[in-house]
Amino acid sequence: NAGVTQTPKFQVLKTGQSMTLQCAQDMNHEYMSWYRQDPGMGLRLIHYSVGAGITDQGEVPNGYNVSRSTTEDFPLRLLSAAPSQTSVYFCASSETGSGHTDTQYFGPGTRLTVL
Amino acid sequence: AQSVTQPDIHITVSEGASLELRCNYSYGATPYLFWYVQSPGQGLQLLLKYFSGDTLVQGIKGFEAEFKRSQSSFNLRKPSVHWSDAAEYFCAVSGYSTLTFGKGTMLLVSP
Repeated sequence: NAGVTQTPKFQVLKTGQSMTLQCAQDMNHEYMSWYRQDPGMGLRLIHYSVGAGITDQGEVPNGYNVSRSTTEDFPLRLLSAAPSQTSVYFCASSETGSGHTDTQYFGPGTRLTVL
Repeated sequence: AQSVTQPDIHITVSEGASLELRCNYSYGATPYLFWYVQSPGQGLQLLLKYFSGDTLVQGIKGFEAEFKRSQSSFNLRKPSVHWSDAAEYFCAVSGYSTLTFGKGTMLLVSP
């Protein structure tokens, strides 16, 4: 098993550009989520999904979109990048639909810089 | 909504000394509690978790944590720290369909 994979590892964007951060897991996990990590702020939940076709907002959803068309993939879209979105982004998955009570398996992260 | 407080931003411990990292939570029902560790440049890895039952839980790498409902705390402990334990540690509480992390405690290990 590759576990949770994220691409790219690093990305530099200009303000106003759009892009998609990719996340995939090969463990047949139902619950997937996206966090951003900023210095001194811990991890903050952006969006999550309890299964294919179901997504919901977390603590800091503004400026981000998600979709979950398959169990394996959970891409995060930045619609119009802003410097405030400079951060490290982590994707995580867990086994069941009530995944917030399960062990989270984290990807290696994507470091995004918006100029 | 649930919340987590980790009052110590940084802690420095001598190698071989004992360690306690503090975590306080706020949640209206019986919480699911977790400790995760993050090594530099890596994702997070689960150390241990508490759902119910015995209030002292054992985890990987020799860590343990004690759930104290009366104090709303879930402190992480290790009797003897190794240099390889230097990392950032996150406490998390689960509730209302989401997992909430604290801001983290950076552990520095001195020789």
